[in-house]
Amino acid sequence: EIVLTQSPATLSLSPGERATLSCGASQSVSSSYLAWYQQKPGLAPRLLIYDASSRATGIPDRFSGSGSGTDFTLTISRLEPEDFAVYYCQQYGSSPITFGQGTRLEIK
Amino acid sequence: QITLKESGPTLVKPTQTLTLTCTFSGFSLSTSGVGVGWIRQPPGKALEWLALIYWDDDKRYSPSLKSRLTITKDTSKNQVVLTMTNMDPVDTATYYCAHRPPPDGVLFDYWGQGTLVTVSS
Repeated sequence: EIVLTQSPATLSLSPGERATLSCGASQSVSSSYLAWYQQKPGLAPRLLIYDASSRATGIPDRFSGSGSGTDFTLTISRLEPEDFAVYYCQQYGSSPITFGQGTRLEIK
Repeated sequence: QITLKESGPTLVKPTQTLTLTCTFSGFSLSTSGVGVGWIRQPPGKALEWLALIYWDDDKRYSPSLKSRLTITKDTSKNQVVLTMTNMDPVDTATYYCAHRPPPDGVLFDYWGQGTLVTVSS
């Protein structure tokens, strides 16, 4: 199975700053079938990005995804207070689908 | 509007079988390409995919848990049921069901609120 490694584990930034989160895959993710989710405490994950770079319905354009093969990035261009949460990547190009271990984005 | 909600016991004893029900609305599991999956999350830990059932009754399981899992659907009731046998304290987690949209890949665009299941004697 494909192992996804997210870095950093914790990212401390201030509102207004730019956030760059990474997701590395142990094997190439076919068709760039990679998604990003946001999870706030006590809530279910919310789909942000699919197919590596397509925003899900209702997701603000400050969220963007990029990458292919084994290296993927989620960028939040200008952090809003509500963006501080845990972010997970998920690959769905190979079975079984797998999730990364998460990056916690915290307020500095 | 798509909604999903998990239901089932909050506490199970070791070796028991867990049965969880996902009741959904806003879509039909008889529509081509649609699926419903189960994902769990131990307290403070990452997400783990468990199982998925498609509109055509095709079923997929996590290889590491396949021997313990069964997923079924009742299209007329808009429900999907997950059973997990031989529960252990390490299975303590919040269990989510989620909607898999067509056409390609297995990702989840709508999630239930989750239900916390504790395994303890």
